[in-house]
Amino acid sequence: EVQLVESGGGLVQPGGSLRLSCAASGFTFSSYWMHWVRQVPGKGLVWVSRIDSDGSSTSYADSVKGRFTISRDNAKNTLYLQMNSLRAEDTAVYYCARVGAIHRGSDYWGQGTLVTVSS
Amino acid sequence: DIQMTQSPSSLSASVGDRVTITCRASQSISSYLNWYQQKPGKAPKLLIYTASSLQSGVPSRFSGSGSGTDFTLTISSLQPEDFATYYCQQSYSTPITFGQGTRLEIK
Repeated sequence: EVQLVESGGGLVQPGGSLRLSCAASGFTFSSYWMHWVRQVPGKGLVWVSRIDSDGSSTSYADSVKGRFTISRDNAKNTLYLQMNSLRAEDTAVYYCARVGAIHRGSDYWGQGTLVTVSS
Repeated sequence: DIQMTQSPSSLSASVGDRVTITCRASQSISSYLNWYQQKPGKAPKLLIYTASSLQSGVPSRFSGSGSGTDFTLTISSLQPEDFATYYCQQSYSTPITFGQGTRLEIK
């Protein structure tokens, strides 16, 4: 069974840092691209970042570029999102999602982890 | 960036109704359009990928069509479990972008 389990969310002050993790199981993690997507409670879905299967190519939304870093450890079957210089507007539920195949959408999602940026 | 515009933003319908949601891209995205369903407090669920391909395990009452800039999601006969929010997403190029969502409510 494919599972994606996020962790690392919580309350952080503006300007602070947080690292999210997404533990993958039930599939060959190293074969799949992965996304991070966020959602302010009650609002829509917003794409944050994408990484290819071996970590050699990454892409970011303009709103997080230069502050967030996506990475992966295929030996540990884990995806990461390092978030620095956090702002109140980064407050959201963060989901990791597997890309089923290039251009085919995200076929599996984690349950999400809430990040709250507030003083 | 490619802008995705869904309509309507909300919709009231009854069990058994046929419902259509539309999604328009600000430029051509070929067939790289996906549809998701999201229920409150849950992660999104992929329904349709590349405009018209039904994701495994998704009921056949869901269907998608379109190419270029105009796309539709159709639910042929609404079931109680279909009341949710639906999002389109373009996977043609980064930044990946979503529509604003269509909230489907019970009439």
